[in-house]
Amino acid sequence: GDSVTQTEGLVTLTKGLPVMLNCTYQTTYSPFLFWYVQHLNEAPKLLLKSSTDNKRTEHQGFYATLHKSSSSFHLQKSSVQLSDSALYFCALNHAGAKLTFGGGTRLTVRP
Amino acid sequence: GGIITQTPKFLIGQEGQKLTLKCQQNFNHDTMYWYRQDSGKGLRLIYYSITENDLQKGDLSEGYDASREKKSSFSLTVTSAQKNEMAVFLCASSPYWGGYEQYFGPGTRLTVL
Repeated sequence: GDSVTQTEGLVTLTKGLPVMLNCTYQTTYSPFLFWYVQHLNEAPKLLLKSSTDNKRTEHQGFYATLHKSSSSFHLQKSSVQLSDSALYFCALNHAGAKLTFGGGTRLTVRP
Repeated sequence: GGIITQTPKFLIGQEGQKLTLKCQQNFNHDTMYWYRQDSGKGLRLIYYSITENDLQKGDLSEGYDASREKKSSFSLTVTSAQKNEMAVFLCASSPYWGGYEQYFGPGTRLTVL
């Protein structure tokens, strides 16, 4: 079956530093990949999505590139802000399937 | 745009009690979902409904029932609440099945005493 792995459970950074949150996946189908962000006591919201190999996708300063050769969709930002503190989920879907979520990475940004 | 409404926002029950959570969406989406999120952790799929009158079990369906009353509403019942159970139940919807992002409601926070 499908699976998504996020290796970091918790990432703590100082404001202004770059960040990369890892996401790798396994599927035998052509995938759609998503990043969701969930701020404290709020609903998860879509941050990025992609199904195109080797194309960078950007939104709100975050970016990710789907690499089918390495089955990865890492989330990056060049300079984190205090407001970026949240829980980030990577998720996978393909035609005729349910969304499969990774375990999530909690990002904490310090002043 | 649209919105997903979940009621109640907070639900406190007693052990063994049957509890019902409700979800409404006005996106006119076909597919709806129920997820459970334990504190700060990932989402686990409980039930989903591809279209009105459809019901499918997810990975965590034991101990729960669901009902898709109409296209816009999807209810989840905890059949027998377990003591010390604390989780947030998230409802979501998507336009079609597969390949599309899901839109989430604000959640119902369950506490069982």
